[in-house]
Amino acid sequence: EDKVVQSPLSLVVHEGDTVTLNCSYEVTNFRSLLWYKQEKKAPTFLFMLTSSGIEKKSGRLSSILDKKELFSILNITATQTGDSAVYLCAVVNAGGTSYGKLTFGQGTILTVHP
Amino acid sequence: DAGVIQSPRHEVTEMGQEVTLRCKPISGHNSLFWYRQTMMRGLELLIYFNNNVPIDDSGMPEDRFSAKMPNASFSTLKIQPSEPRDSAVYFCASSFSTLYSGTQYFGPGTRLLVL
Repeated sequence: EDKVVQSPLSLVVHEGDTVTLNCSYEVTNFRSLLWYKQEKKAPTFLFMLTSSGIEKKSGRLSSILDKKELFSILNITATQTGDSAVYLCAVVNAGGTSYGKLTFGQGTILTVHP
Repeated sequence: DAGVIQSPRHEVTEMGQEVTLRCKPISGHNSLFWYRQTMMRGLELLIYFNNNVPIDDSGMPEDRFSAKMPNASFSTLKIQPSEPRDSAVYFCASSFSTLYSGTQYFGPGTRLLVL
């Protein structure tokens, strides 16, 4: 069974701090890894990673994948209170079809204090 | 574009009743996904459609759950009969591509409470 483990489960920081969120996975046939941000309601897509060592960047957020060690990190620099959310990691198992299965981690709750 | 539209936003029902959740994907998107989120189990993919065809429903918990997509602009998720353990937030998402190659846009969710 595919497994995604995120750490830490929760994190409290002050504005301006830099945070690193971790996601490790076990999947039989890796296709891609996805990061989402969920505030009060629905998740919003952040990144999709398929290749090892290539950093994806969007403003103060960046993410990188290590397919050898089976993990990904999400970095947020100069955090702001608006970054407070649950960050979800998910992996796609290509499986036996061309579409794959998706498994989510339990999420990291990030709280940024002013 | 209005984004993914789900209805109802909240549903309270009694055990044994039929529940139907509705979703209108973003126009032009060809993939649609149904998710369930609970505190205990987190976010789970239930089923997804590509070009209106169900691709993988292995995430559907049991036979009480069924999903349809009669056309490109509408999908339903039905629970019959409902049970208290079905209480959760149900999200619909759509994308322009397949599961692992396109950005998924989530709807606001339907919060279901089964008494």
